[in-house]
Amino acid sequence: AQSVTQPDIHITVSEGASLELRCNYSYGATPYLFWYVQSPGQGLQLLLKYFSGDTLVQGIKGFEAEFKRSQSSFNLRKPSVHWSDAAEYFCAVALMDTGRRALTFGSGTRLQVQP
Amino acid sequence: DVKVTQSSRYLVKRTGEKVFLECVQDMDHENMFWYRQDPGLGLRLIYFSYDVKMKEKGDIPEGYSVSREKKERFSLILESASTNQTSMYLCASRPLAGGLVYEQYFGPGTRLTVT
Repeated sequence: AQSVTQPDIHITVSEGASLELRCNYSYGATPYLFWYVQSPGQGLQLLLKYFSGDTLVQGIKGFEAEFKRSQSSFNLRKPSVHWSDAAEYFCAVALMDTGRRALTFGSGTRLQVQP
Repeated sequence: DVKVTQSSRYLVKRTGEKVFLECVQDMDHENMFWYRQDPGLGLRLIYFSYDVKMKEKGDIPEGYSVSREKKERFSLILESASTNQTSMYLCASRPLAGGLVYEQYFGPGTRLTVT
């Protein structure tokens, strides 16, 4: 069965440091890929998405993600983290050949930012 | 801006009660979804709806039912609430155009506690 893995449950970085959150998927074909962010007490907000084309995608709030087919990965990056980036981040995939239109989510990575 | 609203942010119910969680979207989206979010498990799909009166089970439908009588409204029903249904419930909607996948838009969530 298809799955999405976020291997890091919790990450702490210093403000101004770079960030990389990992996401791996298990699926035979290329899925549609998403990163969402959930701030405390809030719903999920889309950061960026990949459907096809350029494998490096830019999102909101200075985030980017790179799709690597050979590694089945879609890691999220930010060159310089701000305190307001503290939140939970979810990677998600949509699998189009199943006829199902919902998203499958990873278990999330909680980001803490130290001053 | 797309807006997805949920009827309550916090809800406390007793075991055995019938519980209704309401979700309304204002963008005429065809697809709507109910997820539950639990720590370490990410978001899991309960039910989704392609259109009015159309519904399909997700990954964890047991103990839940849904209703979609109008396009903008999607209700999640707990027929007899149990303590293991204590969770955060998130509603989402998504347009459907030409079969392409678009991102889902999420409501703020309802934190349900069953005592």
